[in-house]
Amino acid sequence: DVKVTQSSRYLVKRTGEKVFLECVQDMDHENMFWYRQDPGLGLRLIYFSYDVKMKEKGDIPEGYSVSREKKERFSLILESASTNQTSMYLCASSLGGSMSEQYFGPGTRLTVT
Amino acid sequence: QQPVQSPQAVILREGEDAVINCSSSKALYSVHWYRQKHGEAPVFLMILLKGGEQKGHEKISASFNEKKQQSSLYLTASQLSYSGTYFCGTALNYGGATNKLIFGTGTLLAVQP
Repeated sequence: DVKVTQSSRYLVKRTGEKVFLECVQDMDHENMFWYRQDPGLGLRLIYFSYDVKMKEKGDIPEGYSVSREKKERFSLILESASTNQTSMYLCASSLGGSMSEQYFGPGTRLTVT
Repeated sequence: QQPVQSPQAVILREGEDAVINCSSSKALYSVHWYRQKHGEAPVFLMILLKGGEQKGHEKISASFNEKKQQSSLYLTASQLSYSGTYFCGTALNYGGATNKLIFGTGTLLAVQP
């Protein structure tokens, strides 16, 4: 079974803090994704990576950056957390190609106070 | 641009049928369907390619109308286990090595005994 794990299920941070969300997959997948999920807005893509050290902006990249130094690990960084970044963050991975399904992690619920 | 899902929410009794639609204003290459149960990660259901293909998964099937740029998910004789939020994810073109998707806002399905 494919496993996508995220470092924390719940996280509370203060405004202005630097926040790291970690995601690890164990299936040697090329693609990894970070989404945020908000009520009524569905899943919105923040960034994705199709190879080590390769990344592309998604639909809402402002205020976020990412890092992929190893194939299995994809990190989402909030350089200076703000209250409007309070959300559920979901990581996903998939094989390459348009027909590949995405496997999601359990999510991290981040609260910025 | 996010695809539009309808309805936003639906309540069913066990054994009833439901249809969830996913419409895009742009030409689609493929549509992916996922289900997310409360408190869990989204789970892949099926992928449809342009060409009007229809697919099935247990008592859940889907179609893709290329002319209308719309996909419909059919849930037949619903069971309690079908409850959750259903998301469609759309790909505008063959993405090569990547499979970036734009997800809809979701349809909440509640099946009651």
